[in-house]
Amino acid sequence: DAKTTQPTSMDCAEGRAANLPCNHSTISGNEYVYWYRQIHSQGPQYIIHGLKNNETNEMASLIITEDRKSSTLILPHATLRDTAVYYCIVRVGGTYKYIFGTGTRLKVLA
Amino acid sequence: EPEVTQTPSHQVTQMGQEVILRCVPISNHLYFYWYRQILGQKVEFLVSFYNNEISEKSEIFDDQFSVERPDGSNFTLKIRSTKLEDSAMYFCASRAGTSGVETQYFGPGTRLLVL
Repeated sequence: DAKTTQPTSMDCAEGRAANLPCNHSTISGNEYVYWYRQIHSQGPQYIIHGLKNNETNEMASLIITEDRKSSTLILPHATLRDTAVYYCIVRVGGTYKYIFGTGTRLKVLA
Repeated sequence: EPEVTQTPSHQVTQMGQEVILRCVPISNHLYFYWYRQILGQKVEFLVSFYNNEISEKSEIFDDQFSVERPDGSNFTLKIRSTKLEDSAMYFCASRAGTSGVETQYFGPGTRLLVL
């Protein structure tokens, strides 16, 4: 089973920040949190990953709580093209396979 | 920017036929994966491959499935005798596996339809 839980769906107005939460309370000390998104049935697209510190790249920001039990992906200015299913993934310990949950279906509204 | 490519994008086959799905991972990546996604369902791990061996496989990856890296660039998934329930999107992914870099990069997928 996936080691993460996410809300099933969220709406966001175009141009606003989209904040997507994820709980990963069983994460261990050296496990990274990865975020991907899937637009329609395309291949999952890598967005960002982090360990302890907050991270930012050209796509998004990742805020990880100090206890590392949860994180939030932030799309600072959501566009219609950001409508997708967003997955928060923590590797299963000892392996490198990804276990995908159901993700959060983000709908950006015009 | 380097990317994982997959061919064909769509494949239609008759039940019982063999199919081979092809992937070209990112150059210099060492770890390769296949995942599948049945329509409307989660993305599921099938198999991981490193150093010309299967590293890990799921219970889905039974004797009907096999993987191969026939040359320095391609990575293939073969389904020997397809079943209706094999209809799905199949995604290939690769990972560098060096310097602790663990991010997997996915291809666009092959949509397999078994009739």
